[in-house]
Amino acid sequence: KNQVEQSPQSLIILEGKNCTLQCNYTVSPFSNLRWYKQDTGRGPVSLTIMTFSENTKSNGRYTATLDADTKQSSLHITASQLSDSASYICVVSAGGSTLGRLYFGRGTQLTVWP
Amino acid sequence: DGGITQSPKYLFRKEGQNVTLSCEQNLNHDAMYWYRQDPGQGLRLIYYSQIVNDFQKGDIAEGYSVSREKKESFPLTVTSAQKNPTAFYLCASSYAPGELFFGEGSRLTVL
Repeated sequence: KNQVEQSPQSLIILEGKNCTLQCNYTVSPFSNLRWYKQDTGRGPVSLTIMTFSENTKSNGRYTATLDADTKQSSLHITASQLSDSASYICVVSAGGSTLGRLYFGRGTQLTVWP
Repeated sequence: DGGITQSPKYLFRKEGQNVTLSCEQNLNHDAMYWYRQDPGQGLRLIYYSQIVNDFQKGDIAEGYSVSREKKESFPLTVTSAQKNPTAFYLCASSYAPGELFFGEGSRLTVL
């Protein structure tokens, strides 16, 4: 069964600290993996996209990693800011005959305290 | 600015009423989608359309209907047949498989 599991479900950190969010998937065949940031009451916004051949990609203070062998991805946030408080959603896109079929994780709710 | 506009932002409905959520995009994307988001759950696909005058059911289409008469517009009607319609609804469009651009969402509450 194609699934995307995210951990932790929620996380509280102090401003300025680093954190890492995890995403494990069983989607096959794999096409790509995206991390989205969703502020409360807003639509998700794409942070990064990882394809099979990429294992690290950065977007400012956000760094995503992908291990296609173990089917794991992580999102590392450096020097957190209050504005990082949001839900972070991992989305895996299937390939092959199901090209474009998307599988969504439930998200990790990050709260950054001053 | 290019983007996706959803309206209304908040909507209240009495039981037994149909309501329509608007979604308009000026990104010139062929594909458009409607998702439902409930607390603690991942986004679930309601309907999608890959071209004008054509649309397909997603995973949870029962109690919903859509139309795609124009490339820019993909309205969603929540009918009285939807037993638990209170949720956050997200519209998205894409130019490539899986590359989604989301609107700001519409929150529907049934009174």
